[in-house]
Amino acid sequence: GENVEQHPSTLSVQEGDSAVIKCTYSDSASNYFPWYKQELGKRPQLIIDIRSNVGEKKDQRIAVTLNKTAKHFSLHITETQPEDSAVYFCAARRGRAAGNKLTFGGGTRVLVKP
Amino acid sequence: NAGVTQTPKFQVLKTGQSMTLQCAQDMNHEYMSWYRQDPGMGLRLIHYSVGAGITDQGEVPNGYNVSRSTTEDFPLRLLSAAPSQTSVYFCASTYRDRGIYEQYFGPGTRLTVT
Repeated sequence: GENVEQHPSTLSVQEGDSAVIKCTYSDSASNYFPWYKQELGKRPQLIIDIRSNVGEKKDQRIAVTLNKTAKHFSLHITETQPEDSAVYFCAARRGRAAGNKLTFGGGTRVLVKP
Repeated sequence: NAGVTQTPKFQVLKTGQSMTLQCAQDMNHEYMSWYRQDPGMGLRLIHYSVGAGITDQGEVPNGYNVSRSTTEDFPLRLLSAAPSQTSVYFCASTYRDRGIYEQYFGPGTRLTVT
């Protein structure tokens, strides 16, 4: 099956600095890579995603990059704000032959210090 | 449009008891999933369904059953609760379109087994 590893497990940054979270995956057939944000006590919510035929995608202060050859992808948050404090999860989705199952990384707790 | 709803929000069970966690969605999504979330372990897939009448196992299916008699409902049944099943359970329904799979999570059920 798929294995997704996520680093670091915790990340503390000063407000205004950038934050980078990295994930690696094991199944080269995985073709879709979403990122979810989960605030304390709430449900995970999709913040950005990238398909395997794209190398980079940006949405305002967040961006995701994908290196298919190395099987890793990263989330970049620029100009961090206190409301960016949350747990972030990466995930990888395998194709139809594997049931389109989504495998999550272990999560990164991000704390933005004012 | 209520999205994905789950009941109950909190539940305490004694070891050996059985119960059903309810999940419903009103978005007409074919694909639905159940995850459990344990501290530091991200979200792990229990069971999933690609449409009414079709279910399959995820990473951690033991001790759980599911059924999908309608598109809207996807209940998760704990057969004989064990302390190891203490967790937060999330149901999700997936919007699929041209390679994009956006998962909408329910608010979660916090289950404690004593």
